[in-house]
Amino acid sequence: NAGVMQNPRHLVRRRGQEARLRCSPMKGHSHVYWYRQLPEEGLKFMVYLQKENIIDESGMPKERFSAEFPKEGPSILRIQQVVRGDSAAYFCASSPPTGDGGYTFGSGTRLTVV
Amino acid sequence: GIQVEQSPPDLILQEGANSTLRCNFSDSVNNLQWFHQNPWGQLINLFYIPSGTKQNGRLSATTVATERYSLLYISSSQTTDSGVYFCASGGSYIPTFGRGTSLIVHP
Repeated sequence: NAGVMQNPRHLVRRRGQEARLRCSPMKGHSHVYWYRQLPEEGLKFMVYLQKENIIDESGMPKERFSAEFPKEGPSILRIQQVVRGDSAAYFCASSPPTGDGGYTFGSGTRLTVV
Repeated sequence: GIQVEQSPPDLILQEGANSTLRCNFSDSVNNLQWFHQNPWGQLINLFYIPSGTKQNGRLSATTVATERYSLLYISSSQTTDSGVYFCASGGSYIPTFGRGTSLIVHP
């Protein structure tokens, strides 16, 4: 079991470019969660998805950010027209359908906007 | 939403010392986890413990759900225990994180 796989591990983008972060959940997990961690801070919830459905996006900025979890393939967090304030570590977690047993996190993607 | 508070915010120990980290949450929860974020930024799942007590080597955790708190015990601390310890709790399927306890263990 390869665990939750996130790629890339590090991503550098210039202001105004697009950033695409990928997350493949653990085998058997159908729920995906994205979190953002700013330096010296805790993890802030962004969005919760199941296959082909966004369940809760209350933590995601209304503009420039979007997320999807297609029927096939990884979950994608997309940030358009990145700004310096988007620089952060973005973590993905997955859980089984029941939520029992807790959440497993990936190693994160560290986005730097220059 | 659920509020999660962790204490202390910072902790400095000498190798071999014991410590207790606390996590208070504001409402009933059906999941509670402790994580260790190592100096390289990786989040390691320590315990899934919505109630009761669990032990794993030098670490153990206790959650008293009726009183809305959880404790993480670290015994005989080692330098590799350094990092930030987070608890996350949630009444739904979305865990809310505390701000963490930053632990430094000196040799």
